[in-house]
Amino acid sequence: EVQLVQSGAEVKKPGESLKISCEGSGYTFTNYWIGWVRQMPGKGLEWMGIIYPGDSDTKYSPSFQGQVTISADKSISTAYLQWSSLKASDTAMYYCARQGATFDYWGQGTLVTVSS
Amino acid sequence: QSALTQPASVSGSPGQSITISCTGTRSDVGDYNFVSWYQQHPGKAPKLMIYDVINRPSGVSNRFSGSKSGNTASLTISGLQAEDEADYYCSSYTSSSTWVFGGGTKLTVL
Repeated sequence: EVQLVQSGAEVKKPGESLKISCEGSGYTFTNYWIGWVRQMPGKGLEWMGIIYPGDSDTKYSPSFQGQVTISADKSISTAYLQWSSLKASDTAMYYCARQGATFDYWGQGTLVTVSS
Repeated sequence: QSALTQPASVSGSPGQSITISCTGTRSDVGDYNFVSWYQQHPGKAPKLMIYDVINRPSGVSNRFSGSKSGNTASLTISGLQAEDEADYYCSSYTSSSTWVFGGGTKLTVL
C-alpha cells in the first residue's frame, strides 16, 4: 500500500526556520516525483514545486522560487520542504503528494502556524 | 501562471447530475491531456477522482466522469449522493513544465 506520512503540526515565530518532512512507503521512492502543495486557511490548492528523489532534480513554481527549498534523502525515502525565515503569511496546511502527470497519493498534511 | 477558472459553487439534489467546469488556456488545459480532478472533504487531504481527463483510479465510483473540449475540462457527477458534498479541484500540466490548480468548487447536495 502506497503511503505518504508527513511530520506533525508546527507552531513557529516569524523569522524562524523550519523543515517539514514526507516519508514514502509501499513503492520505489526513487522512481516517482514528490510534489508539495500549499493550502492557506479557507483557500484553494497551490502547487509549490517537485523533486525527483532519484537524482534530486527539482522544479519550483515561480510563485515559490526562492521562498522555500525542496530536498530529499533517498536513503530514508523522505522528502522535505524548508523555510529559512518564516513569515505570518506562510501559515497554511502543506501537503506532499506522489506526482507524475497527476497527484495520485497524498500525505495527511502538515499544519504550519506562524505567529508572534 | 494563473489558476484555472472554476465556478465557486454548484449545487444539486440527490439523484441529479451536476457538471463542474475548469477553464484554462492553450498553454495548459488546451494543449495537454494531463487534467485531473480531486475531491476534498473538510479537514481531509485531497483525493484523486479523475486523471488524464477521462480516467478513473481504481475504487472511484463510475458516477464520476471527466471530459474536455478546447481549453475547458469538465467533471460530471451523476446520481448525486450526500457523500459527494465536498470541494472539487482541477489541475493541469502547463507549457512551463509546472502544474496549476483551479480555484476550487464547493458542491452542495441539497
